[in-house]
Amino acid sequence: AQSVTQLDSQVPVFEEAPVELRCNYSSSVSVYLFWYVQYPNQGLQLLLKYLSGSTLVKGINGFEAEFNKSQTSFHLRKPSVHISDTAEYFCAVSAFGGNDYKLSFGAGTTVTVRA
Amino acid sequence: GAGVSQTPSNKVTEKGKYVELRCDPISGHTALYWYRQSLGQGPEFLIYFQGTGAADDSGLPNDRFFAVRPEGSVSTLKIQRTERGDSAVYLCASSLRGENNEQFFGPGTRLTVL
Repeated sequence: AQSVTQLDSQVPVFEEAPVELRCNYSSSVSVYLFWYVQYPNQGLQLLLKYLSGSTLVKGINGFEAEFNKSQTSFHLRKPSVHISDTAEYFCAVSAFGGNDYKLSFGAGTTVTVRA
Repeated sequence: GAGVSQTPSNKVTEKGKYVELRCDPISGHTALYWYRQSLGQGPEFLIYFQGTGAADDSGLPNDRFFAVRPEGSVSTLKIQRTERGDSAVYLCASSLRGENNEQFFGPGTRLTVL
């Protein structure tokens, strides 16, 4: 089984400032890693994913994340946020290989961008 | 093209009633997932279909919950004898296949049990 811990439940940030959302996971097997965003009153949308290869993954809207296997982390970053980045962000994992494709999510981080 | 759709968007019911929640996946997606998101939490896995069969139903909390996908497309999540603790947003997702494939999420059905 896999589990995900998002270390910050709420992150307030000023417009054009950088932001980092922290995610740690636990798993007895190798994993795939994902970040999803949920804008107010909308469904979950995939920001980026790590399957294999380069540990630095770039996603949509200027977001990137780095997979650190030794620290079992997958932190999300954006160098300069916009008001429109106000949303809830979820880190998720799924098992690598086999037939277990379900996602295990963290509790979410609410990002509020202020002018 | 159309994304994943879920109906109804909101459902209010009374304790003890039966409810059905519907999910229309993206056309051609063979994998379909149901998740439940309680207030202030991340989504929790309920059940996964590959085609018509439930490949993994380990997340269903008890035997009051059941889901079907008879023709490998539309899926219905059924909850019998609803309880107040069932109140949550029920999310459906679909993907082209299972492994490695991005799961596309619907907007969810908000279920409130009074």
